[in-house]
Amino acid sequence: ELKVEQNPLFLSMQEGKNYTIYCNYSTTSDRLYWYRQDPGKSLESLFVLLSNGAVKQEGRLMASLDTKARLSTLHITAAVHDLSATYFCAVDRDSGGGADGLTFGKGTHLIIQP
Amino acid sequence: DAGITQSPRHKVTETGTPVTLRCHQTENHRYMYWYRQDPGHGLRLIHYSYGVKDTDKGEVSDGYSVSRSKTEDFLLTLESATSSQTSVYFCAISDSLTKNIQYFGAGTRLSVL
Repeated sequence: ELKVEQNPLFLSMQEGKNYTIYCNYSTTSDRLYWYRQDPGKSLESLFVLLSNGAVKQEGRLMASLDTKARLSTLHITAAVHDLSATYFCAVDRDSGGGADGLTFGKGTHLIIQP
Repeated sequence: DAGITQSPRHKVTETGTPVTLRCHQTENHRYMYWYRQDPGHGLRLIHYSYGVKDTDKGEVSDGYSVSRSKTEDFLLTLESATSSQTSVYFCAISDSLTKNIQYFGAGTRLSVL
């Protein structure tokens, strides 16, 4: 059974601090996705990591992928309140990259306080 | 929401009644998906489609059926709704397996009483 585990599931942090969200998965897939969800809203694609060692950055968020360790990280630098949201990682259900959809982690609920 | 419309946005129904949720896209994307989101579970795949009339089951397909008669429409039917199907339902679309970025609709909040 394919498993995607995120930790922590809940994180409260102060503005200006740095922190990392971890995503472990059990598939051999080379691809990993990060999404953001604001309360009561839809999911927004943040990053697609397509190979081992891939690193993507957007503003204060940086995602990386280590396929050998089956681990992805989402690093937050100098957090600001606007980054408060729930963050999900996901992998392909078909590790060969088919159309079978995604398996999601349970999400990390991030609250950034002034 | 990337040209994806889900309807209805909210629905309250009674146990045992049939319910159909609609996902309509204007992007002409080949692949379409239905997920449900429940607290503590993240999103779970119900059914997906890889073309007109081509559909398959996801990980939580029991009690659900789907149909896709046109590229732009993907319907999710609860044959006889149960309280365990109270959830938020998201439709997603994708145009390429190279990156397989999925774009999500706004969601349908369904309550089964």
